[in-house]
Amino acid sequence: NAGVTQTPKFQVLKTGQSMTLQCAQDMNHNSMYWYRQDPGMGLRLIYYSASEGTTDKGEVPNGYNVSRLNKREFSLRLESAAPSQTSVYFCASSEGLVTPSEQYFGPGTRLTVT
Amino acid sequence: RKEVEQDPGPFNVPEGATVAFNCTYSNSASQSFFWYRQDCRKEPKLLMSVYSSGNEDGRFTAQLNRASQYISLLIRDSKLSDSATYLCVVKSSGAGSYQLTFGKGTKLSVIP
Repeated sequence: NAGVTQTPKFQVLKTGQSMTLQCAQDMNHNSMYWYRQDPGMGLRLIYYSASEGTTDKGEVPNGYNVSRLNKREFSLRLESAAPSQTSVYFCASSEGLVTPSEQYFGPGTRLTVT
Repeated sequence: RKEVEQDPGPFNVPEGATVAFNCTYSNSASQSFFWYRQDCRKEPKLLMSVYSSGNEDGRFTAQLNRASQYISLLIRDSKLSDSATYLCVVKSSGAGSYQLTFGKGTKLSVIP
């Protein structure tokens, strides 16, 4: 089991460029999440998907879009990157949304926007 | 008031020491509580859930005080491998909504 995988691991973008961060899990989990982690800010939820076919906004959704492609995959898109989106992005998954189940995190994508 | 607050740290302790981390949360409707561990430049991983009656896992003991909205983590006999950032995590849910709130973390360095 690979768990949660993310691509790419590192990315540098220029302001205004777009890109998609990919995430996949092989644990048959229903729920998936995207977080960003900034120094001094902790982890903040961008979007989440309770189950295949649904997505909802988290705490900091502006500037991002997501797609739950199927049960395994949940992608995060930056349409027009801004320096404020420089961060480490983590994808996570869990069995369900309501039950207090563990969240498993991917290794992260380090994004720099210049 | 921030939703989840932790000791700012960093904590620098010698091997074998006992260290305690505290965490307070502001949402009285919070339902589930966790401690996650995050190594430098790595992803967070679940250390332990926190149950109402308190729970222990080897050298780690977690306590919950709902009345004071306070969570703690005690590490006994610290090892070098315990050096990491410890994240307090609080989960609230209801009416179709979801909220998992992470504290900013407390950094622990165990020194030989």
